Amino acid sequence: AQSVTQLDSQVPVFEEAPVELRCNYSSSVSVYLFWYVQYPNQGLQLLLKYLSGSTLVESINGFEAEFNKSQTSFHLRKPSVHISDTAEYFCAVSRPSVDYKLSFGAGTTVTVRA
Amino acid sequence: NAGVMQNPRHLVRRRGQEARLRCSPMKGHSHVYWYRQLPEEGLKFMVYLQKENIIDESGMPKERFSAEFPKEGPSILRIQQVVRGDSAAYFCASSPGGGRTEAFFGQGTRLTVV
Repeated sequence: AQSVTQLDSQVPVFEEAPVELRCNYSSSVSVYLFWYVQYPNQGLQLLLKYLSGSTLVESINGFEAEFNKSQTSFHLRKPSVHISDTAEYFCAVSRPSVDYKLSFGAGTTVTVRA
Repeated sequence: NAGVMQNPRHLVRRRGQEARLRCSPMKGHSHVYWYRQLPEEGLKFMVYLQKENIIDESGMPKERFSAEFPKEGPSILRIQQVVRGDSAAYFCASSPGGGRTEAFFGQGTRLTVV
């Protein structure tokens, strides 16, 4: 079985400051990795994903994440956050060679203050 | 192309009543997944269905919970004789195929048992 650990449950940050959300996973087989964002009272939206190829993936709104196989990590970063980035962020993994299920971390709540 | 539609968005039930949660997948998607998000936790897989078939229900509680995805109409997650511990957000996701294809999430149904 795989598991996902998000090391920070709450991350307060000032507007225009950088932010990093940490995600570590464990799996005995190769994985796909995802970051989802959940705005207040909304559903989950896919932010970015790693399936194969370049280990650095980017989203259209300035987030990026890097897959590090040796450290089994997929940390999410943004160099300068906006108030509108206030949301909960979930890291998730799937094992495409085994099944289709997503395993989620417990989530990290990012609160951006002016 | 409408996204995954879930209704109702909010549902309040008294203990012992039945809860029915509906999910209409995206057009062209024949695979549906249900996840549950308990307070302060990440999403947990419940069940995976294709049209008229339950493929994997390993995450479903053994009693009171059932799911279906009929040939016509939405997928239904049914909870009989609800208890306070069933209070959670229930998310549906759909994909055109299992395995390697990306799943798209609905906005969720927030069930409150009073």
